[in-house]
Amino acid sequence: GQNIDQPTEMTATEGAIVQINCTYQTSGFNGLFWYQQHAGEAPTFLSYNVLDGLEEKGRFSSFLSRSKGYSYLLLKELQMKDSASYLCAALRRRTYKYIFGTGTRLKVLA
Amino acid sequence: GAGVSQSPSNKVTEKGKDVELRCDPISGHTALYWYRQRLGQGLEFLIYFQGNSAPDKSGLPSDRFSAERTGESVSTLTIQRTQQEDSAVYLCASSSPLDTTYNEQFFGPGTRLTVL
Repeated sequence: GQNIDQPTEMTATEGAIVQINCTYQTSGFNGLFWYQQHAGEAPTFLSYNVLDGLEEKGRFSSFLSRSKGYSYLLLKELQMKDSASYLCAALRRRTYKYIFGTGTRLKVLA
Repeated sequence: GAGVSQSPSNKVTEKGKDVELRCDPISGHTALYWYRQRLGQGLEFLIYFQGNSAPDKSGLPSDRFSAERTGESVSTLTIQRTQQEDSAVYLCASSSPLDTTYNEQFFGPGTRLTVL
């Protein structure tokens, strides 16, 4: 089967660090993506992990453990503009089909 | 360069009417995807094209939904006899499977469909 699970909502304070978790079950896994989506806008790409480990991009980092079917997105030094939905998506091998989670709505409070 | 474009940006229709939504992918992107997103919900996969063929139509909700792609470019999503539950934002995305690094999807701005 195929399934992506992530928390529905999270709240954090400006300047803090937040970790958004994602677990997945999919046959033929070929990488894990994170997208950011502001209300009323299209999703935009944040990160991609295909090997185990941590990928860092400025304030955002993404981690993957293939053996555990687990990923997280880490946001540091939170800013108000980081309030958005964060979508986790798995890419299936030998196809180009993406399986999306329902997204985590992050609220950053002053 | 030009990104993914979709038209119309908004569509209001009456229940029972047919609607056609259009997507222009990034030039050279051979993979094209359609998703549906209801208010406050995640992305629901509908269909994807590899070139002009659709290897996976499993996400189409009913036989009222169909999609086609011609010339490895423009795609249209057609919803016949629209129902109120079809109201949602329909997102199109494209990606290039020839990309040797990763297959990032580029999303269009979406078409907001409202069925009265």
